[in-house]
Amino acid sequence: GENVEQHPSTLSVQEGDSAVIKCTYSDSASNYFPWYKQELGKRPQLIIDIRSNVGEKKDQRIAVTLNKTAKHFSLHITETQPEDSAVYFCAASLNTGGFKTIFGAGTRLFVKA
Amino acid sequence: SAVISQKPSRDICQRGTSLTIQCQVDSQVTMMFWYRQQPGQSLTLIATANQGSEATYESGFVIDKFPISRPNLTFSTLTVSNMSPEDSSIYLCSVVNRGLYEQYFGPGTRLTVT
Repeated sequence: GENVEQHPSTLSVQEGDSAVIKCTYSDSASNYFPWYKQELGKRPQLIIDIRSNVGEKKDQRIAVTLNKTAKHFSLHITETQPEDSAVYFCAASLNTGGFKTIFGAGTRLFVKA
Repeated sequence: SAVISQKPSRDICQRGTSLTIQCQVDSQVTMMFWYRQQPGQSLTLIATANQGSEATYESGFVIDKFPISRPNLTFSTLTVSNMSPEDSSIYLCSVVNRGLYEQYFGPGTRLTVT
């Protein structure tokens, strides 16, 4: 069945460094790729997304890249801050004929001050 | 983005009982979903709540255990029936906007079954 693999499961960086989280999806029909940040005890929050007709998108310190051929997409966080510490989920969605999202297993990011 | 509220925010229930969770959205949305999230785990889709018709359940979830209602475009309920400790989890309502892109989550209901 459809699957999204996410790596690494845990990532620890020093404040100010960059963090990269990578995901691979199996369903080539997926056409929308959101990223969520979930702080402890809070709901998942949509932080950035990318559609299949775009290769890269940036919003301040975060950026997402998509390689449709390889079925890879990545989240890049630059100049990390302690408040970036959270669990990040990637997802692959298909929004034709309905809406279906497959979530990755999550990456726990620790930013050390 | 849509403002989503859930009630209750948390509950502790005895095994064998049922709990109904409510999800209210401040605007009409195209699609509503119910997810379960075990501690430290990812999000698992339980079902899609269809307005005016029976919900569409994912593999491993059945209507008798998780009956769902969606009487209109802004409200849905999920009932967890005949609960056991294995049902202890966070249950999240989720909506997708009319463009069928951005998906948002409610604050969740933390359920503990003793």
